[in-house]
Amino acid sequence: DSGVTQTPKHLITATGQRVTLRCSPRSGDLSVYWYQQSLDQGLQFLIQYYNGEERAKGNILERFSAQQFPDLHSELNLSSLELGDSALYFCASSPRGQGVRYGYTFGSGTRLTVV
Amino acid sequence: AQSVAQPEDQVNVAEGNPLTVKCTYSVSGNPYLFWYVQYPNRGLQFLLKYITGDNLVKGSYGFEAEFNKSQTSFHLKKPSALVSDSALYFCAVRDRDRDDKIIFGKGTRLHILP
Repeated sequence: DSGVTQTPKHLITATGQRVTLRCSPRSGDLSVYWYQQSLDQGLQFLIQYYNGEERAKGNILERFSAQQFPDLHSELNLSSLELGDSALYFCASSPRGQGVRYGYTFGSGTRLTVV
Repeated sequence: AQSVAQPEDQVNVAEGNPLTVKCTYSVSGNPYLFWYVQYPNRGLQFLLKYITGDNLVKGSYGFEAEFNKSQTSFHLKKPSALVSDSALYFCAVRDRDRDDKIIFGKGTRLHILP
């Protein structure tokens, strides 16, 4: 157990629907990062939050949004889902935001299947 | 912008032989470099990192990597491969002078043949 908890582990939903993925970071970690892993695109950085505030944005679609709550857990919201959104979504956490020298601790991911 | 290239989608190595998984990077400033491993249906696990200092970095499970600044490379190596090393390996880079997001390569699938 890495200490980063992601729920649910699997999600199957229909096109056009909206889903919410949840991540609880490792105890004491303030930064949360979301990544999308697909077969053809590899591991793509989506967005980072640090202590409740958005810190960096990557290749995140406008249909996707995220937030980090006061208890530091984070949610990734995916709406108007398309077949191409099917992927493994990872959350990672790290101790601090800017200036951190360490790698991340990853959760085990949420596998989203859009049918 | 920072980027990482893993030129090989797949590497096949016989058990007991040395293995190398290649990685080159591009950053505008100084790099932090990482290797992660992903086993089937699992998240990414940290293997090793280069921050500063000795160019040869030793990590988990007998893996090591060599930072080569002139060639902008950070190849992953192991002297003697095990079947259990079969997995997907990701190289990653962070520009230490900018924000702290880490950019990953597309991954290299390592097959160790018994």
